[in-house]
Amino acid sequence: EAQVTQNPRYLITVTGKKLTVTCSQNMNHEYMSWYRQDPGLGLRQIYYSMNVEVTDKGDVPEGYKVSRKEKRNFPLILESPSPNQTSLYFCASREAGVTNEKLFFGSGTQLSVL
Amino acid sequence: RKEVEQDPGPFNVPEGATVAFNCTYSNSASQSFFWYRQDCRKEPKLLMSVYSSGNEDGRFTAQLNRASQYISLLIRDSKLSDSATYLCVVSFTGGGNKLTFGTGTQLKVEL
Repeated sequence: EAQVTQNPRYLITVTGKKLTVTCSQNMNHEYMSWYRQDPGLGLRQIYYSMNVEVTDKGDVPEGYKVSRKEKRNFPLILESPSPNQTSLYFCASREAGVTNEKLFFGSGTQLSVL
Repeated sequence: RKEVEQDPGPFNVPEGATVAFNCTYSNSASQSFFWYRQDCRKEPKLLMSVYSSGNEDGRFTAQLNRASQYISLLIRDSKLSDSATYLCVVSFTGGGNKLTFGTGTQLKVEL
């Protein structure tokens, strides 16, 4: 089954404790992206990757890191989480190209930073 | 001004009603337009793309007006299962064909 898999689904942590949210897709998609969703603000892009070893900042990259060492994986790293990073996070992937832009989303990670 | 603006709702409608949502976008260079559906705290899923000529998929009709920079979604014969948040999404070349999401319009279909 074609899917984007995120883990964990829920995460509670404390300020300053490094964490990683994993994301993996099995559709051989070139493009992967991370979003955060907050009430009243909608989905905002954190980072995206056009292909292996190619990553770029989205609209709200501060406090986050990503890596793309393999095509299927795109982990999101919070080196020193803070309470304002409490949010619902989604990983997404799609095929490259201009016309085919359907995004496939993971099921989300609800992060709470205390 | 937000890049993509939607009325947050909620729109409370009876089953069987016709309901329409509008969305405006600010970037005239925008190239592609979509409606996504999101159920509470779940991942967004593509509902339909929006084409200049307008397009229909069953009970759903999407329209694009480039001159006025808005897109619309019409749902006919609403079902209880249509209750969700509908996200307007716009993309333009640059930033990897970045998709910009509206904050969504919440629809509640009631008996």
